[in-house]
Amino acid sequence: KNQVEQSPQSLIILERKNCTLQCNYTVSPFSNLRWYKQDTGRGPVSLTIMTFSENTKSNGRYTATLDADTKQSSLHITASQLSDSASYICVVSAGGNTPLVFGKGTRLSVIA
Amino acid sequence: SAVISQKPSRDICQRGTSLTIQCQVDSQVTMMFWYRQQPGQSLTLIATANQGSEATYESGFVIDKFPISRPNLTFSTLTVSNMSPEDSSIYLCSASRGNTEAFFGQGTRLTVV
Repeated sequence: KNQVEQSPQSLIILERKNCTLQCNYTVSPFSNLRWYKQDTGRGPVSLTIMTFSENTKSNGRYTATLDADTKQSSLHITASQLSDSASYICVVSAGGNTPLVFGKGTRLSVIA
Repeated sequence: SAVISQKPSRDICQRGTSLTIQCQVDSQVTMMFWYRQQPGQSLTLIATANQGSEATYESGFVIDKFPISRPNLTFSTLTVSNMSPEDSSIYLCSASRGNTEAFFGQGTRLTVV
């Protein structure tokens, strides 16, 4: 069964600290993996998208990694800001017209 | 990228009534989708909105309850019919061009009383 598992479920960190969120997937075939940020009451916004051949991609203070062999991805946030408080969702695509597979997200709270 | 406008952003409805949610994309897209998101949960795909033909529904969702229209490449509607409190949720419109990045609307927060 195609699944995406994220950990931790929630995380609280101090402002300016770094953190890493994890994503494991069993989706097959694999086309690409995406990380989204979802602020409370808003729709998800794309942070990164990686295909099989990419093992790292950055978007400002966000850096995503992908290990397609172990089917793991991580999202590293550097020098966190209060505005980083949100849910971060890992999404895997099997390609074609198959539905995206969503993780349940990690709820990040950055506190002063 | 694509900008998706979804309305209404929120509504409180009486049980037994219906609500139609509109989704407008600012550029042509290949695929449009409708999702439901329960509080604290991930997104669940309701259906794929097909232009000019019937939507493709996922298991657990039926056309009579969630009729969908997509008259052209940039516009779609989702109707939540004969609502009950269990339909209270966030409904999200999404669009993509092929198997690339998906874009999401702001969501419609529906409360059924």
